[in-house]
Amino acid sequence: EAEVAQSPRYKITEKSQAVAFWCDPISGHATLYWYRQILGQGPELLVQFQDESVVDDSQLPKDRFSAERLKGVDSTLKIQPAELGDSAMYLCASSPSRARDAFFGQGTRLTVV
Amino acid sequence: QKEVEQNSGPLSVPEGAIASLNCTYSDRGSQSFFWYRQYSGKSPELIMSIYSNGDKEDGRFTAQLNKASQYVSLLIRDSQPSDSATYLCAVNRLGTGGFKTIFGAGTRLFVKA
Repeated sequence: EAEVAQSPRYKITEKSQAVAFWCDPISGHATLYWYRQILGQGPELLVQFQDESVVDDSQLPKDRFSAERLKGVDSTLKIQPAELGDSAMYLCASSPSRARDAFFGQGTRLTVV
Repeated sequence: QKEVEQNSGPLSVPEGAIASLNCTYSDRGSQSFFWYRQYSGKSPELIMSIYSNGDKEDGRFTAQLNKASQYVSLLIRDSQPSDSATYLCAVNRLGTGGFKTIFGAGTRLFVKA
Protein backbone atom coordinates (compact mmCIF):
# COMPACT_ATOMS: atom_id res chain seq x y z
CA GLU A 1 0.00 0.00 0.00
CA ALA A 2 1.35 3.42 -0.96
CA GLU A 3 2.41 5.61 1.95
CA VAL A 4 3.69 9.08 2.64
CA ALA A 5 7.27 8.80 3.85
CA GLN A 6 8.73 11.24 6.37
CA SER A 7 12.10 11.50 8.03
CA PRO A 8 13.41 11.72 10.62
CA ARG A 9 10.79 10.27 12.97
CA TYR A 10 12.24 12.10 15.95
CA LYS A 11 14.53 15.10 16.22
CA ILE A 12 15.99 16.84 19.23
CA THR A 13 17.74 20.12 18.57
CA GLU A 14 19.00 23.04 20.58
CA LYS A 15 17.35 26.40 20.20
CA SER A 16 18.92 28.64 17.56
CA GLN A 17 20.04 25.63 15.54
CA ALA A 18 18.73 24.74 12.08
CA VAL A 19 16.56 21.69 11.49
CA ALA A 20 15.08 20.13 8.35
CA PHE A 21 12.35 17.61 7.68
CA TRP A 22 11.82 15.58 4.53
CA CYS A 23 8.64 14.22 2.97
CA ASP A 24 8.03 11.92 0.00
CA PRO A 25 4.33 11.90 -0.93
CA ILE A 26 2.33 9.08 -2.46
CA SER A 27 3.29 8.71 -6.10
CA GLY A 28 1.13 10.81 -8.38
CA HIS A 29 -0.23 13.04 -5.64
CA ALA A 30 -0.04 16.63 -6.86
CA THR A 31 -1.01 18.28 -3.58
CA LEU A 32 1.35 18.22 -0.61
CA TYR A 33 0.69 19.71 2.81
CA TRP A 34 2.87 20.45 5.81
CA TYR A 35 1.00 20.67 9.11
CA ARG A 36 2.19 21.40 12.63
CA GLN A 37 0.39 19.78 15.54
CA ILE A 38 0.93 20.92 19.09
CA LEU A 39 -0.06 18.42 21.79
CA GLY A 40 -3.80 18.58 22.45
CA GLN A 41 -4.58 20.61 19.34
CA GLY A 42 -5.59 19.84 15.80
CA PRO A 43 -3.13 20.01 12.90
CA GLU A 44 -2.44 23.56 11.73
CA LEU A 45 -1.70 24.06 8.03
CA LEU A 46 1.72 25.64 7.47
CA VAL A 47 2.13 25.36 3.71
CA GLN A 48 0.38 23.76 0.75
CA PHE A 49 1.95 22.86 -2.59
CA GLN A 50 0.27 22.13 -5.87
CA ASP A 51 2.97 20.34 -7.86
CA GLU A 52 6.07 22.50 -7.30
CA SER A 53 4.18 25.73 -6.53
CA VAL A 54 3.27 27.11 -3.13
CA VAL A 55 -0.46 27.84 -3.18
CA ASP A 56 -0.90 28.73 0.50
CA ASP A 57 1.71 29.67 3.07
CA SER A 58 -0.36 32.21 4.96
CA GLN A 59 0.31 30.53 8.33
CA LEU A 60 4.01 29.83 7.75
CA PRO A 61 6.30 31.95 9.99
CA LYS A 62 8.41 33.07 7.08
CA ASP A 63 11.09 34.73 9.19
CA ARG A 64 12.29 31.31 10.31
CA PHE A 65 10.46 28.65 8.28
CA SER A 66 10.95 27.76 4.63
CA ALA A 67 9.57 25.00 2.45
CA GLU A 68 10.33 23.76 -1.03
CA ARG A 69 9.18 21.11 -3.46
CA LEU A 70 11.61 21.65 -6.29
CA LYS A 71 10.56 18.94 -8.76
CA GLY A 72 7.00 18.63 -7.61
CA VAL A 73 7.69 15.36 -5.83
CA ASP A 74 9.42 15.29 -2.44
CA SER A 75 9.53 18.28 -0.14
CA THR A 76 11.67 19.77 2.61
CA LEU A 77 10.57 21.97 5.50
CA LYS A 78 13.30 23.92 7.28
CA ILE A 79 13.38 25.89 10.50
CA GLN A 80 16.23 28.30 11.18
CA PRO A 81 16.72 29.25 13.94
CA ALA A 82 14.62 26.84 15.99
CA GLU A 83 12.82 28.22 19.04
CA LEU A 84 11.46 26.42 22.10
CA GLY A 85 7.90 27.06 20.90
CA ASP A 86 8.58 25.07 17.73
CA SER A 87 8.43 21.81 19.66
CA ALA A 88 5.58 19.89 18.02
CA MET A 89 4.72 17.10 15.61
CA TYR A 90 5.34 18.07 11.99
CA LEU A 91 3.06 16.19 9.65
CA CYS A 92 3.25 15.84 5.90
CA ALA A 93 0.19 14.81 3.90
CA SER A 94 -0.53 14.32 0.23
CA SER A 95 -3.65 14.23 -1.89
CA PRO A 96 -4.47 13.56 -5.54
CA SER A 97 -5.94 17.06 -5.72
CA ARG A 98 -6.79 19.92 -3.40
CA ALA A 99 -10.39 18.88 -2.71
CA ARG A 100 -9.73 15.20 -2.13
CA ASP A 101 -8.74 12.99 0.80
CA ALA A 102 -5.36 13.73 2.31
CA PHE A 103 -3.13 10.92 3.61
CA PHE A 104 -0.59 11.54 6.34
CA GLY A 105 2.91 10.32 6.90
CA GLN A 106 4.07 9.16 10.33
CA GLY A 107 5.24 12.63 11.26
CA THR A 108 8.39 14.06 12.78
CA ARG A 109 8.36 14.75 16.50
CA LEU A 110 10.55 17.81 17.11
CA THR A 111 11.82 18.74 20.54
CA VAL A 112 13.71 22.01 20.91
CA VAL A 113 15.80 22.25 24.08
CA GLN B 1 -14.98 31.73 16.25
CA LYS B 2 -12.92 28.77 15.13
CA GLU B 3 -13.42 27.59 11.57
CA VAL B 4 -14.01 24.00 12.66
CA GLU B 5 -15.43 23.38 16.11
CA GLN B 6 -15.52 20.12 18.02
CA ASN B 7 -16.29 19.26 21.60
CA SER B 8 -12.94 18.33 23.12
CA GLY B 9 -14.47 15.63 25.31
CA PRO B 10 -13.58 13.23 26.61
CA LEU B 11 -16.59 11.28 25.40
CA SER B 12 -16.92 8.03 27.29
CA VAL B 13 -19.13 5.18 26.05
CA PRO B 14 -19.42 1.53 27.08
CA GLU B 15 -18.25 -1.21 24.76
CA GLY B 16 -20.94 -2.08 22.23
CA ALA B 17 -22.66 1.30 22.42
CA ILE B 18 -22.98 3.94 19.70
CA ALA B 19 -20.52 6.82 19.90
CA SER B 20 -21.70 10.10 18.36
CA LEU B 21 -19.13 12.75 17.45
CA ASN B 22 -20.13 16.19 16.22
CA CYS B 23 -18.51 19.00 14.30
CA THR B 24 -19.64 22.43 13.08
CA TYR B 25 -17.90 24.64 10.53
CA SER B 26 -18.14 28.32 9.72
CA ASP B 27 -17.54 28.60 5.96
CA ARG B 28 -20.70 27.90 3.95
CA GLY B 29 -18.60 27.40 0.85
CA SER B 30 -16.89 24.33 2.27
CA GLN B 31 -16.89 21.49 -0.22
CA SER B 32 -15.50 18.32 1.33
CA PHE B 33 -15.58 16.89 4.82
CA PHE B 34 -13.40 14.30 6.48
CA TRP B 35 -13.08 12.36 9.71
CA TYR B 36 -9.66 11.24 10.89
CA ARG B 37 -8.75 9.01 13.81
CA GLN B 38 -5.56 9.74 15.73
CA TYR B 39 -4.08 7.46 18.35
CA SER B 40 -1.82 9.03 20.95
CA GLY B 41 1.59 9.82 19.49
CA LYS B 42 0.58 8.73 16.00
CA SER B 43 -0.42 10.60 12.85
CA PRO B 44 -4.04 11.07 11.72
CA GLU B 45 -5.61 8.23 9.77
CA LEU B 46 -8.49 8.90 7.35
CA ILE B 47 -11.71 7.11 8.32
CA MET B 48 -14.42 8.71 6.19
CA SER B 49 -14.92 11.41 3.60
CA ILE B 50 -18.29 12.88 2.68
CA TYR B 51 -19.08 15.36 -0.06
CA SER B 52 -22.88 15.70 -0.23
CA ASN B 53 -25.76 16.05 2.19
CA GLY B 54 -27.01 12.91 3.84
CA ASP B 55 -25.47 9.79 5.30
CA LYS B 56 -22.52 7.71 4.18
CA GLU B 57 -21.88 4.34 5.76
CA ASP B 58 -18.68 2.30 5.85
CA GLY B 59 -18.73 -0.71 8.13
CA ARG B 60 -19.34 0.44 11.69
CA PHE B 61 -18.89 4.09 10.74
CA THR B 62 -21.55 6.49 9.44
CA ALA B 63 -20.82 10.08 8.48
CA GLN B 64 -23.68 12.55 8.30
CA LEU B 65 -23.56 15.92 6.58
CA ASN B 66 -26.03 18.80 6.78
CA LYS B 67 -24.71 21.75 4.81
CA ALA B 68 -27.69 23.97 5.66
CA SER B 69 -26.86 23.63 9.35
CA GLN B 70 -23.09 23.54 8.69
CA TYR B 71 -22.88 20.36 10.67
CA VAL B 72 -21.13 17.05 10.16
CA SER B 73 -21.15 14.06 12.48
CA LEU B 74 -19.62 10.62 12.85
CA LEU B 75 -21.43 7.66 14.39
CA ILE B 76 -19.48 4.62 15.52
CA ARG B 77 -21.68 1.58 16.06
CA ASP B 78 -20.71 -1.34 18.31
CA SER B 79 -17.89 0.70 19.81
CA GLN B 80 -14.77 -1.24 20.73
CA PRO B 81 -11.95 -0.37 23.16
CA SER B 82 -9.68 -0.14 20.09
CA ASP B 83 -11.81 2.81 18.93
CA SER B 84 -10.45 4.85 21.86
CA ALA B 85 -8.63 7.72 20.16
CA THR B 86 -8.97 11.37 19.22
CA TYR B 87 -11.29 11.97 16.27
CA LEU B 88 -10.48 14.95 14.08
CA CYS B 89 -13.02 16.66 11.87
CA ALA B 90 -11.56 18.32 8.76
CA VAL B 91 -13.19 20.65 6.26
CA ASN B 92 -11.95 21.51 2.79
CA ARG B 93 -12.75 25.10 1.85
CA LEU B 94 -11.65 27.74 -0.59
CA GLY B 95 -8.62 29.74 0.53
CA THR B 96 -6.24 32.24 -1.02
CA GLY B 97 -4.53 29.64 -3.17
CA GLY B 98 -7.44 27.35 -3.82
CA PHE B 99 -8.97 24.68 -1.65
CA LYS B 100 -7.29 23.77 1.61
CA THR B 101 -8.11 21.44 4.48
CA ILE B 102 -8.68 22.86 7.95
CA PHE B 103 -8.84 20.69 11.07
CA GLY B 104 -10.75 20.94 14.31
CA ALA B 105 -9.03 20.35 17.64
CA GLY B 106 -10.49 16.86 17.94
CA THR B 107 -12.75 14.94 20.31
CA ARG B 108 -11.23 12.34 22.62
CA LEU B 109 -13.23 9.13 22.76
CA PHE B 110 -12.89 6.48 25.45
CA VAL B 111 -14.62 3.14 25.01
CA LYS B 112 -14.89 1.27 28.31
CA ALA B 113 -14.58 -2.51 28.24
